[in-house]
Amino acid sequence: EPEVTQTPSHQVTQMGQEVILRCVPISNHLYFYWYRQILGQKVEFLVSFYNNEISEKSEIFDDQFSVERPDGSNFTLKIRSTKLEDSAMYFCASSGGQGAYEQYFGPGTRLTVT
Amino acid sequence: EDQVTQSPEALRLQEGESSSLNCSYTVSGLRGLFWYRQDPGKGPEFLFTLYSAGEEKEKERLKATLTKKESFLHITAPKPEDSATYLCASNYGQNFVFGPGTRLSVLP
Repeated sequence: EPEVTQTPSHQVTQMGQEVILRCVPISNHLYFYWYRQILGQKVEFLVSFYNNEISEKSEIFDDQFSVERPDGSNFTLKIRSTKLEDSAMYFCASSGGQGAYEQYFGPGTRLTVT
Repeated sequence: EDQVTQSPEALRLQEGESSSLNCSYTVSGLRGLFWYRQDPGKGPEFLFTLYSAGEEKEKERLKATLTKKESFLHITAPKPEDSATYLCASNYGQNFVFGPGTRLSVLP
């Protein structure tokens, strides 16, 4: 069964450093998403991506964040100048064609900023 | 602002004891109402999508229903393996708003 994969599973970084979180969405899906979940809190939408551009983004997704689909399979989230409060679980998700909002989530990357 | 709330925050059931979880939403025009299951340390797992008031969907011991203001996830004769956090979400366009979840524990 196709699934979304994410690497690394755990990333530890120092405050001020840049990190890149990687995702491989389900191969025939067209919409890609990043979410974060701070420990014990709810899942928060960051950004959606379609046709090689951002389609929607939340207030959380400021200039510190960027997304990219560098090739036909990977989808990345870059976080510049990390802060302690960026520590969270980051989930990638993908969904199929137009109107198909069922999202399939990856296992997540736990980001720890020290 | 679109909001999704869920109740109760936590629920403990004995195996076989049926119950319902509630999801209330305030959105400017329903697009979709989604239910997910999340196990500790894992990504949400898709369960159901509901689009219209009156719609119902079932999967094994779970049934999701939708009214104009809220959705219910009914759990019939739950088993310990149904223990998880159940999330609901709604969307406007490609922006999804998740509720805080209901943490369900089913005791053997």
